[in-house]
Amino acid sequence: AQSVTQLDSQVPVFEEAPVELRCNYSSSVSVYLFWYVQYPNQGLQLLLKYLSGSTLVKGINGFEAEFNKSQTSFHLRKPSVHISDTAEYFCAVSDRGSSNTGKLIFGQGTTLQVKP
Amino acid sequence: DAGITQSPRYKITETGRQVTLMCHQTWSHSYMFWYRQDLGHGLRLIYYSAAADITDKGEVPDGYVVSRSKTENFPLTLESATRSQTSVYFCASIHSADRYTGELFFGEGSRLTVL
Repeated sequence: AQSVTQLDSQVPVFEEAPVELRCNYSSSVSVYLFWYVQYPNQGLQLLLKYLSGSTLVKGINGFEAEFNKSQTSFHLRKPSVHISDTAEYFCAVSDRGSSNTGKLIFGQGTTLQVKP
Repeated sequence: DAGITQSPRYKITETGRQVTLMCHQTWSHSYMFWYRQDLGHGLRLIYYSAAADITDKGEVPDGYVVSRSKTENFPLTLESATRSQTSVYFCASIHSADRYTGELFFGEGSRLTVL
């Protein structure tokens, strides 16, 4: 069975500092990987996704993530955060083969708190 | 406006009452999902639907009922609400052709409190 683990429940960081949000997954089949962001009192929206090809994926708002197959990780990074990046971030996995629904399995979420 | 809308956005109810959360999308997406969001658990899939009249259980279906008589609507019913069902519920949808690689579109959520 697939699973996703986000290693940090909360990440406090000062404005303009770099940040990394960690995500590890387990799956016996090839997967697609996603990062979603949830701003306060809103639904989730897609930040970026890894399907195949280059392991470094760039998304919206200056975020990027690196797929590491050997370490089964998909960590999210941003070189310089803004106050507006304060939100909940979710890593998710969708299997390629064993399910015909493409349903996503989400991690527990990481709260990014950007301080002035 | 096009999109996915949930109602009510906020609901307080009592233990044992029946509650229905509504979800409506205007894209004609074939796939629709219900997730619940709880601290420490992230989002967990309750039920999903591949098309009208086709539904299936997700990770945490107990205590919930769904139906999908029309493509655009996917209501979630708690037949006898319990305190453990206090949560934020999210509906989501995606086009069938994009279901593996595309973006899942979420509603704004329905916050349910069961007293």
